[in-house]
Amino acid sequence: GNSVTQMEGPVTLSEEAFLTINCTYTATGYPSLFWYVQYPGEGLQLLLKATKADDKGSNKGFEATYRKETTSFHLEKGSVQVSDSAVYFCALKDDQFYFGTGTSLTVIP
Amino acid sequence: DAGVIQSPRHEVTEMGQEVTLRCKPISGHDYLFWYRQTMMRGLELLIYFNNNVPIDDSGMPEDRFSAKMPNASFSTLKIQPSEPRDSAVYFCASSLVRGRGEKLFFGSGTQLSVL
Repeated sequence: GNSVTQMEGPVTLSEEAFLTINCTYTATGYPSLFWYVQYPGEGLQLLLKATKADDKGSNKGFEATYRKETTSFHLEKGSVQVSDSAVYFCALKDDQFYFGTGTSLTVIP
Repeated sequence: DAGVIQSPRHEVTEMGQEVTLRCKPISGHDYLFWYRQTMMRGLELLIYFNNNVPIDDSGMPEDRFSAKMPNASFSTLKIQPSEPRDSAVYFCASSLVRGRGEKLFFGSGTQLSVL
């Protein structure tokens, strides 16, 4: 079946630190992959996506590359800001969306 | 566009009471989804509609849960009777198309507490 596994949090980083949030997936087909972000008190928002192998999604300094050989879609950012504090969800879309459990990120000044 | 609008933002009720959550999708979106978010189970798809017709309700936990979409601009999720284990954040989302290009737009959610 389809599933998404992402690293457990919470993650706490200092401002300007490098961020990696790991995500791996299991899929029966050829899914699209997504990262969604949830700010406090809000719904999930699409951060970036990739629809096929080797595609790189990017937005607001965040990047993730669709790696079919390792079934991974790790989220990275070179220099985090306090405003990046949120919960990040990895997801795949096959017949429907499958979300990971979310990783809470707190960035401290 | 105002985005997906959900009401109420917060609902506190007592066990056994009926709860109705409301959602207005983005105008023109043909698909509407109801999700439930808990710490234990993460984000779960409960049901989704296409052109106001329920397509997949296999995620609805029990007969106590029901959802309707009487028109393209309104949907409800009802729990009757409610139980403490129903406490969660319930999200509504809508999308324009299905398939690889699909992008979900979420509302701000309803925080439900059943005492």
